[in-house]
Amino acid sequence: DTEVTQTPKHLVMGMTNKKSLKCEQHMGHRAMYWYKQKAKKPPELMFVYSYEKLSINESVPSRFSPECPNSSLLNLHLHALQPEDSALYLCASSQEGGRAGNQPQHFGDGTRLSIL
Amino acid sequence: GESVGLHLPTLSVQEGDNSIINCAYSNSASDYFIWYKQESGKGPQFIIDIRSNMDKRQGQRVTVLLNKTVKHLSLQIAATQPGDSAVYFCAEVSNSGYALNFGKGTSLLVTP
Repeated sequence: DTEVTQTPKHLVMGMTNKKSLKCEQHMGHRAMYWYKQKAKKPPELMFVYSYEKLSINESVPSRFSPECPNSSLLNLHLHALQPEDSALYLCASSQEGGRAGNQPQHFGDGTRLSIL
Repeated sequence: GESVGLHLPTLSVQEGDNSIINCAYSNSASDYFIWYKQESGKGPQFIIDIRSNMDKRQGQRVTVLLNKTVKHLSLQIAATQPGDSAVYFCAEVSNSGYALNFGKGTSLLVTP
């Protein structure tokens, strides 16, 4: 079992809906990440939070809105998504924040998102 | 731009044989590399990592080799088992230093 928990595991929503993806870790990690993964492709970085502050936004459309309420939680708010946004959304965490790339990221099992 | 790539998209091996999965990277400044295993319906699972001051690191049934001269990374799996069937990704630290760049992935299929 992964130590990064993502909910829900599956989500089907219409293009006018508003929904949120949730991610939680209790390992005391100070960096958290959102990735998007299309079928048979590698994960692509969307956002990085370091010490609960947004460090990186990889030019993600504004219909995706991240939020980090505290060091254990990471949300991804979704609004007015398009069918091409259907994908597996992965959350990850790593121990240190800042430019500390020399450490493993630990992934959750993702939320499978389908946009109708 | 900088990229991390894999030589083979699919690899089929017989149970009990050794597997070798290769990865080429182009960022000569990269100093940290990770191998992940992703099973169907799951997120990437950390297997092993290696820093650029090493050329070999061993784990349980897995060995990672790093050749900085030719910018090549490999994952060796000893006595491959059916449970090893998955997609394997190599990853390097991105130029920003915050996140990972993943390679394209190799699908490993273990046949009985």
